[in-house]
Amino acid sequence: EPEVTQTPSHQVTQMGQEVILRCVPISNHLYFYWYRQILGQKVEFLVSFYNNEISEKSEIFDDQFSVERPDGSNFTLKIRSTKLEDSAMYFCASSGLAFNEQFFGPGTRLTVL
Amino acid sequence: GNSVTQMEGPVTLSEEAFLTINCTYTATGYPSLFWYVQYPGEGLQLLLKATKADDKGSNKGFEATYRKETTSFHLEKGSVQVSDSAVYFCALTGANNLFFGTGTRLTVIP
Repeated sequence: EPEVTQTPSHQVTQMGQEVILRCVPISNHLYFYWYRQILGQKVEFLVSFYNNEISEKSEIFDDQFSVERPDGSNFTLKIRSTKLEDSAMYFCASSGLAFNEQFFGPGTRLTVL
Repeated sequence: GNSVTQMEGPVTLSEEAFLTINCTYTATGYPSLFWYVQYPGEGLQLLLKATKADDKGSNKGFEATYRKETTSFHLEKGSVQVSDSAVYFCALTGANNLFFGTGTRLTVIP
């Protein structure tokens, strides 16, 4: 069964460093998403991506964040200069059509020291 | 705006007990409602969904009914199993995303 994969499973970084979180969505899906969950809090929407551009983003997704689909398979989230409060679990998701079921990856746990 | 309020956990039940996890929502328009489940070490998986008022979503013995009058989508299961131990998330659709509740951790003991 096709699934969304994410790497790495756990990333530890120093404050101020850049990190890139990687996702491989399901191959025939067209819509891609990033969410995050700070420990003990809600899963929060960050950004959605369709047709090689951002279709929607939340207030959390400021200039420190960017997304890219560098090739036909990967979908990346870059945090340019990490802050302590960026420590969270980051989930990638994809769907075949808008408003359809979103398929989630297992998440990347980011720890900023 | 859109938001989801979910029953606080953790919830611990004995095997074969009845489960209810409460979920209420605030939304503009007519969202679709979902329950996602996260088993240990895995991603979020769709458990069930309902797309309009009075729809009942069901899967693996779990059920939830979209109640517009009470803005609720409570998750129920008549007899839980140890394998149901997981974190359960209630969610609703926004314009191009999902709004999630905080998640409820369920532990079922033999």
